[in-house]
Amino acid sequence: DAGVIQSPRHEVTEMGQEVTLRCKPISGHNSLFWYRQTMMRGLELLIYFNNNVPIDDSGMPEDRFSAKMPNASFSTLKIQPSEPRDSAVYFCASTFSGQTVSKNIQYFGAGTRLSVL
Amino acid sequence: DQQVKQNSPSLSVQEGRISILNCDYTNSMFDYFLWYKKYPAEGPTFLISISSIKDKNEDGRFTVFLNKSAKHLSLHIVPSQPGDSAVYFCAASASNYGQNFVFGPGTRLSVLP
Repeated sequence: DAGVIQSPRHEVTEMGQEVTLRCKPISGHNSLFWYRQTMMRGLELLIYFNNNVPIDDSGMPEDRFSAKMPNASFSTLKIQPSEPRDSAVYFCASTFSGQTVSKNIQYFGAGTRLSVL
Repeated sequence: DQQVKQNSPSLSVQEGRISILNCDYTNSMFDYFLWYKKYPAEGPTFLISISSIKDKNEDGRFTVFLNKSAKHLSLHIVPSQPGDSAVYFCAASASNYGQNFVFGPGTRLSVLP
């Protein structure tokens, strides 16, 4: 059973370039989360979607960041233009959120390590 | 301001002994807590959870204790094994926060053979 799939695993780019990170959630999951991990701040939630609709994007650092979920099996996180301070590991996670408020386990992808030079 | 804190960035323990990882939170609305484990170059994986209606949850070598009045939880690993060496994240959520988890910064556990 395939887990959450992220691509690319590593991305090295130059300041000012556009970067697109991709995520395929686990089939059947209806909630998707983008996180960023840094040494200083640990794991920060950037945005999450429920049924392909953005629910909370308060963690998105600034307008240079955008995320989309065009369908239930694909999401992208875009940074344009990228800056050196965006260097971090970006994780995607998914879960199934039912009708009741229950705390469903989030399953994480292996992450994309982004280096902006 | 961090709502979930793990004040020990790292911890070293001898194999076979007990590992105790601590987590403190500030938001009294949090009612569900989880521990995730992360190996290098992998994503975090779920380890154990506890609801605020309990004060203890056990799964094999792993036990999580919750002290609501102190807003503190801890993860005990007994006995510790070298394969437990990883970064451990504490996470918290509240019923009215939807599916949001707030993660702590993590504690790196090293279990020495």
